[in-house]
Amino acid sequence: DAGITQSPRHKVTETGTPVTLRCHQTENHRYMYWYRQDPGHGLRLIHYSYGVKDTDKGEVSDGYSVSRSKTEDFLLTLESATSSQTSVYFCAISLQGQVNNSPLHFGNGTRLTVT
Amino acid sequence: QQQVKQSPQSLIVQKGGISIINCAYENTAFDYFPWYQQFPGKGPALLIAIRPDVSEKKEGRFTISFNKSAKQFSLHIMDSQPGDSATYFCAASSADKLIFGTGTRLQVFP
Repeated sequence: DAGITQSPRHKVTETGTPVTLRCHQTENHRYMYWYRQDPGHGLRLIHYSYGVKDTDKGEVSDGYSVSRSKTEDFLLTLESATSSQTSVYFCAISLQGQVNNSPLHFGNGTRLTVT
Repeated sequence: QQQVKQSPQSLIVQKGGISIINCAYENTAFDYFPWYQQFPGKGPALLIAIRPDVSEKKEGRFTISFNKSAKQFSLHIMDSQPGDSATYFCAASSADKLIFGTGTRLQVFP
């Protein structure tokens, strides 16, 4: 999948536990994104990164944090998972710089269930 | 607050027919309007994109029509095929962020 790996692919966790999702790219792209996909809401931007240690909030950032300590890895953390965070999470990279000049390439997603 | 509004939520078309999906936006700073196609179990993939200085863009059976004054754009799929059955998302972008519509599930029956 053009250099994006999301892990884990599936996870079930309990309310109140911390969860970290990982996105790994092999192509050294600067921009990386985390989206969540829910029925009736489409894809909503959680956080994004425009370089190592450079991140910003998206539309639905409450309850989530991110870190990017090296170019190839972008981590999404749910500090204390809630049932409303049950979703499919997609990581994406911008192939040619800023996203208004470039397609996004998506990973295959992580299905997270919070019980 | 949905910055990009998409309709219909679902669409059923017969093979060979025309599928039309509509989107509207509010933010006049948006300057890039892509459409993405998603098959079950996969991430979305870019289908076609347009900039606001162009009123129409065609790639094969897929056409984007863009109306800047109305702040609307649409995807037309000509000669729809069963293999086009997927979820389609419109999106709009300025600089660092890409905002998606809520998606349209298209089913094309033989």
